[in-house]
Amino acid sequence: GAVVSQHPSRVICKSGTSVKIECRSLDFQATTMFWYRQFPKQSLMLMATSNEGSKATYEQGVEKDKFLINHASLTLSTLTVTSAHPEDSSFYICSARAGKYYGYTFGSGTRLTVV
Amino acid sequence: QQQVKQSPQSLIVQKGGISIINCAYENTAFDYFPWYQQFPGKGPALLIAIRPDVSEKKEGRFTISFNKSAKQFSLHIMDSQPGDSATYFCAASKRSGADGLTFGKGTHLIIQP
Repeated sequence: GAVVSQHPSRVICKSGTSVKIECRSLDFQATTMFWYRQFPKQSLMLMATSNEGSKATYEQGVEKDKFLINHASLTLSTLTVTSAHPEDSSFYICSARAGKYYGYTFGSGTRLTVV
Repeated sequence: QQQVKQSPQSLIVQKGGISIINCAYENTAFDYFPWYQQFPGKGPALLIAIRPDVSEKKEGRFTISFNKSAKQFSLHIMDSQPGDSATYFCAASKRSGADGLTFGKGTHLIIQP
């Protein structure tokens, strides 16, 4: 089945620094990748949608300059949290689709803690 | 505006019992309705999904019932086991579209041995 690998699984960073999270589709080409954010005991909230080779589309209320998304190839998307602050601490999860009419495969998530 | 409403928020079921989680959606353009299981610290894993052209789908102990006119769908877990204890999310999307999934708020399920 489709597999999505997400790294790192957890990261701790100092306030003001930037953190990059990688999401790779291992056995399929992902035309579209999605980034979600999940706070403790809450649901997944879609942050942005990215298509290979084009700019990401951000959901309302998500700062595109803080959460930089790059989808440079059909198997890799990255989320960079810039100038991280403690309120950015959360569980970030990526998802990928091979195309329309295909299912959504999720990565294992990244626990970000900003101290 | 919450487009997918999920209930209950938490559920305790005895081992061997039936766990039932319900969801309702508002957007009639949705045509793909998956259920995900999530363990603490892990990403969600697809359990089972249904499209609106069928009213029920069964895979092992998991069954989705779908009522298009009521815009509701539910997950039934038969013979619930302690290993089923997890958080369950319903979701919806327009399969032909480029949008991500819209998730319900989740149900924390505990199966008591």
